[in-house]
Amino acid sequence: DIQMTQSPSTLSASVGDRVTITCRASQSISSWLAWYQQKPGKAPNLLIYKASSLESGVPSRFRGSGSGTEFTLTISSLQPDDFATYYCQQYNSYWTFGQGTKVEIK
Amino acid sequence: QVQLQESGPGLVKPSETLSLTCTVSGDSISGYYWTWIRQPPGKGLEWIGYIYYSGSTYYNPSLKSRVTISLDTSKNQFSLKLTSVTAADTAVYYCARARSYSPFDPWGQGTLVTVSS
Repeated sequence: DIQMTQSPSTLSASVGDRVTITCRASQSISSWLAWYQQKPGKAPNLLIYKASSLESGVPSRFRGSGSGTEFTLTISSLQPDDFATYYCQQYNSYWTFGQGTKVEIK
Repeated sequence: QVQLQESGPGLVKPSETLSLTCTVSGDSISGYYWTWIRQPPGKGLEWIGYIYYSGSTYYNPSLKSRVTISLDTSKNQFSLKLTSVTAADTAVYYCARARSYSPFDPWGQGTLVTVSS
């Protein structure tokens, strides 16, 4: 099974900050990686697929990069609506989620 | 636009079977993987398994011995059964759709199932 490890688990930031979340796969997954945003009481919302492709309607301040085993999600200028928990997910072999990164207000 | 909606009991007794149904509207079951995911309160996402429209299934090894996912194409529904539940199975259960080499999209809104006597 492919394991996904996200870091950090929690991130404290301010509006306007540049934020980076890292996701590492236990083996190569090519670019078969997605990022989701989840707010309390809601289902996860797809932000990025195939490592760097922005889902329709997602603001351009979200950027995904990486391939193989190391991936990053960058929010270029954090907005009030972005305080949430973010999950990576590999879909190279079945599906596996990272443990999540909570972005909280500093 | 496809929509998914989970339904089923919100309370299940320990040692009993959790049963949930996901109703798909706005699209056919054909051509997709139909999946279940759960999220214990305050914790992360755990993928439970899938059923392909052809009827083939795959379950997370950690739950495989207790999980069955089935499909009712006539009703555009798929279902989850989880046997011998304990308090550790208390979670929000989501259903979602996927294709081969694709993430989950869309998701249902989720339903909280509490295991308690």
